[in-house]
Amino acid sequence: DVKVTQSSRYLVKRTGEKVFLECVQDMDHENMFWYRQDPGLGLRLIYFSYDVKMKEKGDIPEGYSVSREKKERFSLILESASTNQTSMYLCASSLGLAGSRGSYNEQFFGPGTRLTVL
Amino acid sequence: SQQGEEDPQALSIQEGENATMNCSYKTSINNLQWYRQNSGRGLVHLILIRSNEREKHSGRLRVTLDTSKKSSSLLITASRAADTASYFCATALSGTYKYIFGTGTRLKVLA
Repeated sequence: DVKVTQSSRYLVKRTGEKVFLECVQDMDHENMFWYRQDPGLGLRLIYFSYDVKMKEKGDIPEGYSVSREKKERFSLILESASTNQTSMYLCASSLGLAGSRGSYNEQFFGPGTRLTVL
Repeated sequence: SQQGEEDPQALSIQEGENATMNCSYKTSINNLQWYRQNSGRGLVHLILIRSNEREKHSGRLRVTLDTSKKSSSLLITASRAADTASYFCATALSGTYKYIFGTGTRLKVLA
């Protein structure tokens, strides 16, 4: 079974703090994703990575950055947390295609991190 | 409306009844997927249907896809209380590797 783990289930931070959300998958997946989920808005893609050190912006990348130094780990960074970044953050991974920038396979999600910025 | 918009937003049925949820989308897709999310948790993949497929079954789940109408439906037969969750469709757009999720249908199955 694919396992996607996220570093924290709940996190409370103050405005202006730098926040790191970590995601690790154990199935050697090429693709990894960060989403945020807000009531009434569904899931929105923040960033996507299809290989180590490769990343693409999603629909709402402003205020976020990502890091993928190892295949199994994808980090989301809030450079200076703001209250409008209070949300549920979901990480996902999927199998890619060798030599391709991504794939259309099913995604496996982590349990989510509920971040509150005060 | 957004790509991958589910209908209805909420559905309440009795155990044993069937539940039908619909998803509409706007642009050309490679495939469409359905996911389930239990309260406050991550999403779990249920089923994937490719753009050249019209119907797919998995256990008590039946998914249809009508690319001419840009719509899909998810049918859960003989529902159980454990099916209570939110259900999302996700479209994998042709030409990109992004997935667009809808806002979900909240299903409540009453015992």
